[in-house]
Amino acid sequence: EDQVTQSPEALRLQEGESSSLNCSYTVSGLRGLFWYRQDPGKGPEFLFTLYSAGEEKEKERLKATLTKKESFLHITAPKPEDSATYLCAVRRDINDMRFGAGTRLTVKP
Amino acid sequence: SAVISQKPSRDICQRGTSLTIQCQVDSQVTMMFWYRQQPGQSLTLIATANQGSEATYESGFVIDKFPISRPNLTFSTLTVSNMSPEDSSIYLCSVAGQMNTEAFFGQGTRLTVV
Repeated sequence: EDQVTQSPEALRLQEGESSSLNCSYTVSGLRGLFWYRQDPGKGPEFLFTLYSAGEEKEKERLKATLTKKESFLHITAPKPEDSATYLCAVRRDINDMRFGAGTRLTVKP
Repeated sequence: SAVISQKPSRDICQRGTSLTIQCQVDSQVTMMFWYRQQPGQSLTLIATANQGSEATYESGFVIDKFPISRPNLTFSTLTVSNMSPEDSSIYLCSVAGQMNTEAFFGQGTRLTVV
């Protein structure tokens, strides 16, 4: 069965303490892996799309990478405003976009 | 990216009643979807809203409970019918331009059924 698993469920960092979030997936016929940020009470905000193993995307303090089995979201020198839930999703078909449960990130000043 | 406006942003409803959620996009989009996000959980696809035809529902979701309309390429509605407390969730509208591209989301409708 296709699955998307994110770890850890929750992560607490000090400001400036770099770390990585993991998204592992078992999906046949992957048509894109997506990272989103979700703030409380809001809809997910699109961050990155990755299509093939070895691909990397960067935006400010965030960098997403992709292998054949997992993706990492690296956060370098995070700030309190990076606190949010980060969601990973994989697309297998036109209306088959499966989301992981998310990683709730808290960055303390 | 598309600008998606969802109304209402939140509501508290009595059980047994129905609520219609509207989703307006600032440009024509091919794909429109409705998701549910139950408290503390991730997103679950309810259905794909098809322009000019009946929506395509995912397993566990039925048209009688979640009727959907999509009269054109920029607008859709989701109705939550005969509500019970178990329907308390965030409901999200999502759009995508093409099959393999990213999806964008509205700000969500937080529904509480009492």
